[in-house]
Amino acid sequence: EIVLTQSPATLSSSPGEAVTLSCRASQNVNNYLAWYQQKPGQAPRLLIYDASNRATGIPARFSGSGSGTDFTLTISSLEPEDFAVYYCQQRYNWWTFGQGTKVEV
Amino acid sequence: QLQLQESGPRLVKPSETLALTCSVSGASISSGTYYWGWIRQPPGKGLEWIGSMYERGSTQYNASLKSRVTMSVDTSKNQFSLKLTSVTAADTAVYYCARHGPRGFDYWGQGTLVTVSS
Repeated sequence: EIVLTQSPATLSSSPGEAVTLSCRASQNVNNYLAWYQQKPGQAPRLLIYDASNRATGIPARFSGSGSGTDFTLTISSLEPEDFAVYYCQQRYNWWTFGQGTKVEV
Repeated sequence: QLQLQESGPRLVKPSETLALTCSVSGASISSGTYYWGWIRQPPGKGLEWIGSMYERGSTQYNASLKSRVTMSVDTSKNQFSLKLTSVTAADTAVYYCARHGPRGFDYWGQGTLVTVSS
């Protein structure tokens, strides 16, 4: 099983600031990595697929990068609605999720 | 607009079988283009993939749950189902059904909390 390790577990920031979230895979996943945002009481929402492609309707302030084992999600300027939990997920070998990073005020 | 909706008992007794159904509208689950899967999330914890189905009912299951999981499909009703046997309190979670493909898990149900308790 491919294990995805996200860091940090919690990230404290303020609206308008830029943040970078990390996801490291236990083995190569090529670029088969996605990012999701989850708010309390809601299902996750797909943000980024194949490491760097924004899903439909996702604002340009969200960007993803990386390949192989190291990936990042960057939010260029935090909006109030961006405070949430973010998960990475790989589809190289079955499907697994990281444990999540909480972005809090 | 594609929509998924989970249904089933919200309370299951320990050692019994959890059974959920996902009803899909706006797309055919037999189209062969996408996987249809189940994901769960224990309260306050992260996401765990349970299993997925592809066209004609082929299935893949999380190795850690494989011995207890069965997924099935009813194409006439455009539904797919999950059964998880011998449940314990550790199986208490919000269970989501979702569509996934090359772009990831792109459509999700709202989720349903299933509690395992006597």
